[in-house]
Amino acid sequence: QVQLVESGGGVVQPGRSLRLSCAASGFTFSSHGMHWVRQAPGKGLEWVAVIWYDGSNKYYPESVKGRFTISRDNSKNTLYLQMNSLRAEDTAVYYCARVDGYSGYDYLDYWGQGTLVTVSS
Amino acid sequence: QLVLTQSPSASASLGASVKLTCTLSSGHSTYAIAWHQQQPEKGPRYLMKVTSDGSHNKGDGIPDRFSGSSSGAERYLTISSLQSEDEADYYCQTWGTGIHVVFGGGTKLTVL
Repeated sequence: QVQLVESGGGVVQPGRSLRLSCAASGFTFSSHGMHWVRQAPGKGLEWVAVIWYDGSNKYYPESVKGRFTISRDNSKNTLYLQMNSLRAEDTAVYYCARVDGYSGYDYLDYWGQGTLVTVSS
Repeated sequence: QLVLTQSPSASASLGASVKLTCTLSSGHSTYAIAWHQQQPEKGPRYLMKVTSDGSHNKGDGIPDRFSGSSSGAERYLTISSLQSEDEADYYCQTWGTGIHVVFGGGTKLTVL
């Protein structure tokens, strides 16, 4: 069955960096677009980044553009999110999610369980 | 601008039915949406995709109690025979070329 398992979260000081990973299994990882979505404490879902099946296209909202980088290693079935210059407002649970398709333009059909990132001094 | 609007809260009694609404912003009434359920302290779970003609495509293992429909710019999620485990937050999500992912604000469903 499809599984997405995030890791790499933790407590980090403002201005520092953190890299999240999402290990995928149970499907052909290289055939699907992938997203990162976050949820601040008590808040709704916020889109963070998307990457096409082959890594050819990557997009971000303005809130993280220039600070976060999404990447993938299809040989390792793993998705990454490099987060630099972290701010207190980046504190959230970060989820990876699979797209029902090759690109980023479709619905999200599987989600991971999330990893908590806390940015605090 | 593509915006999804959801009521912040809804409630219904155990065993009853409830209909949640997600409204697409003006000019986007033909867009499909997806419904996701988030139970307390869990990650979201995909429920179904609902198109403008009301057809829906459910996720794996989603019970028949969950169904979707459409009318104009509104997309609905109906849950019948409500059970205690249906108490959760429900989010709608859409997408489009250059738009990527948009989420509604979520509806918190309380089962009385």
